[in-house]
Amino acid sequence: EAGVVQSPRYKIIEKKQPVAFWCNPISGHNTLYWYLQNLGQGPELLIRYENEEAVDDSQLPKDRFSAERLKGVDSTLKIQPAELGDSAVYLCASSLGGGRGTDTQYFGPGTRLTVL
Amino acid sequence: GNSVTQMEGPVTLSEEAFLTINCTYTATGYPSLFWYVQYPGEGLQLLLKATKADDKGSNKGFEATYRKETTSFHLEKGSVQVSDSAVYFCALSDTSNTGKLIFGQGTTLQVKP
Repeated sequence: EAGVVQSPRYKIIEKKQPVAFWCNPISGHNTLYWYLQNLGQGPELLIRYENEEAVDDSQLPKDRFSAERLKGVDSTLKIQPAELGDSAVYLCASSLGGGRGTDTQYFGPGTRLTVL
Repeated sequence: GNSVTQMEGPVTLSEEAFLTINCTYTATGYPSLFWYVQYPGEGLQLLLKATKADDKGSNKGFEATYRKETTSFHLEKGSVQVSDSAVYFCALSDTSNTGKLIFGQGTTLQVKP
């Protein structure tokens, strides 16, 4: 079974440029998460989707970040414009769903963003 | 609010040594607890989990017991290998049952031959 797929793996951009990350979850997983991982820290949730609905986006900086999950499968996270402080690893995870706290989340390899 | 605290790293051990990585948590209600591992250049992988008090999670020789009385979920392994070198993250599921994970800051383990 294929795991969570993310692309690109690495991205280097200049500040004020836009950038987008793509995630394909495990087939059949209804819940999709985007996390931000700063260097030397644990991941922090940005947004959670149940199917195509964003059910928790309280941590997403909405002035520059946006996300979508069309048809409840793939998802895209966008930053526009990027700032120096956005340099981090962006992780996508998926789980079977239902918002159960016992669910196992499966993580992709992440996209490492460097903003110059 | 809910939070997780892990012991500071890095932890450096010789092969076959005993490993303990401490993890304590603060939460209202009864969260599920997880240990994830991140090998160099790879994504986070679930190592083990426990969903209620006194449960013991185990995998690949690693163990952790959900201790409600001490709000702890310490990771242990009796004999580490060089291949165990990685970053280990303790996490809890948000008790509002949203599935949101709250992670500790991670502990780097380096095992030397």
